[in-house]
Amino acid sequence: EVQLVESGGGLVQPGGSLRLSCAASGFTFSSYAMSWVRQAPGKGLEWVSAISGSGGSTYYADSVKGRFTISRDNSKNTLYLQMNSLRAEDTAVYYCGGIENYYYYYMDVWGKGTTVTVSS
Amino acid sequence: EIVMTQSPATLSVSPGERATLSCRASQSVSSNLAWYQQKPGQAPRLLIYGASTRATGIPARFSGSGSGTEFTLTISSLQSEDFAVYYCQQYNNWPQAFGQGTKLEIK
Repeated sequence: EVQLVESGGGLVQPGGSLRLSCAASGFTFSSYAMSWVRQAPGKGLEWVSAISGSGGSTYYADSVKGRFTISRDNSKNTLYLQMNSLRAEDTAVYYCGGIENYYYYYMDVWGKGTTVTVSS
Repeated sequence: EIVMTQSPATLSVSPGERATLSCRASQSVSSNLAWYQQKPGQAPRLLIYGASTRATGIPARFSGSGSGTEFTLTISSLQSEDFAVYYCQQYNNWPQAFGQGTKLEIK
C-alpha cells in the first residue's frame, strides 16, 4: 500500500524551530518528486516547497525562502522540512505529497498531515 | 509569480445536476494544471492533471478542460460524495500556486 506519514508537528514559540518528517512506504521513494503543502486553519492550500527525486533540485515559496529547508534521505525513504524562525503565520496543517514524474511536480499521493502551531 | 483565481467561491448545486468550476491563471501555464478535491478533515485528492487527464480511480463524471490561462472542472451529475472544496494548482512555473478554492455545496 502506498503511504505517506507525517510527523514532527507540535507547539513552538515564535522564532523557534521544528523539523517535520514524512515517511514513505509502498513505492520507490527515490523515483518520486516530493512536496510540502500547508493549510492554515479555515484557509486554502498553500504550496510550500518541493524537491526532486535525487534531492538535487529544491524549490521554495517566497513566504518560506531562507527560513525553511527541504531535504530527503532516500536510504530511509523519508522527506524532511526544517523550519526555522517560525512565525504565527506558519501555523497550519502540513501535508507531504509526491508524484512519480521527473518534470512535473503535482501530487497523486498524500499524507494525512501534521499540525504546527506557532504561539507564545 | 503566477496567481491562480478560482470562481465562484461557493457553488450551490442540487444532486444529479452539473457543476462547472473555473480557474484562471495570471499568465499562461500551458496544460500544467491539476485539480484536487478536499473533504473536511482529509488530505486533498488528485482528480485531474495535465488539465484534462483523470487520475487513477477518478470517476468519468469528472472532466477537465482548458489550456493557457482558462480552465474548467466539470462534474456531470453530482453525487452526494462530491460536495467538497475543489482547488486548482499550476505546476508549470516556480513557485507553484494553488487557487483559493471553490466550495461545492448542496442546494
